[in-house]
Amino acid sequence: AQSVTQPDARVTVSEGASLQLRCKYSYFGTPYLFWYVQYPRQGLQLLLKYYPGDPVVQGVNGFEAEFSKSNSSFHLRKASVHWSDWAVYFCAVSNMGYKLTFGTGTSLLVDP
Amino acid sequence: EAAVTQSPRNKVAVTGGKVTLSCNQTNNHNNMYWYRQDTGHGLRLIHYSYGAGSTEKGDIPDGYKASRPSQENFSLILELATPSQTSVYFCASGDWGQAPLFGEGTRLSVL
Repeated sequence: AQSVTQPDARVTVSEGASLQLRCKYSYFGTPYLFWYVQYPRQGLQLLLKYYPGDPVVQGVNGFEAEFSKSNSSFHLRKASVHWSDWAVYFCAVSNMGYKLTFGTGTSLLVDP
Repeated sequence: EAAVTQSPRNKVAVTGGKVTLSCNQTNNHNNMYWYRQDTGHGLRLIHYSYGAGSTEKGDIPDGYKASRPSQENFSLILELATPSQTSVYFCASGDWGQAPLFGEGTRLSVL
């Protein structure tokens, strides 16, 4: 069965600092991978998606992620965090975008 | 503009009562999903559908039924609501090869 592990329930970074949120997946075959962001009392919004191809994918608002088959990872990165990035981030794995399996999420707190 | 609309946005129900959560999508997507979100669990799949007339069990279907009467509409039904079903419920729609689009969520409290 497919699964996603986000090992960090909470991450705190200073505004302007770089960010990495970790995601490890388990999937038999070639996965489709996603990062979604959830702002308070809102639904999930897509940040970026990986479809088999270039391992580094660019998303909205300066976010990017790198797929690693050897490490079964899909970590999210941003070079310089803004206070508006304060949110919960979810990593998900699926078969071609069908029936996503989510991790437990990482809450990002930004120190001003 | 692509959209997934859930109603109601907030619901308070009594234990043992029947609750229906509704979802409408204007994206002409074949696939629709119901998830619940709980702290420490992320989002978990309850039911999903390939298209009008079809419903399938997800990972945590017990205590829930689903109905897909048309391409646009997908309902989640709690026949006998229990306090353990207090949660935030999200509907999503999508197609093969696409990232699903999520609604704003329904906050359900069962007292």
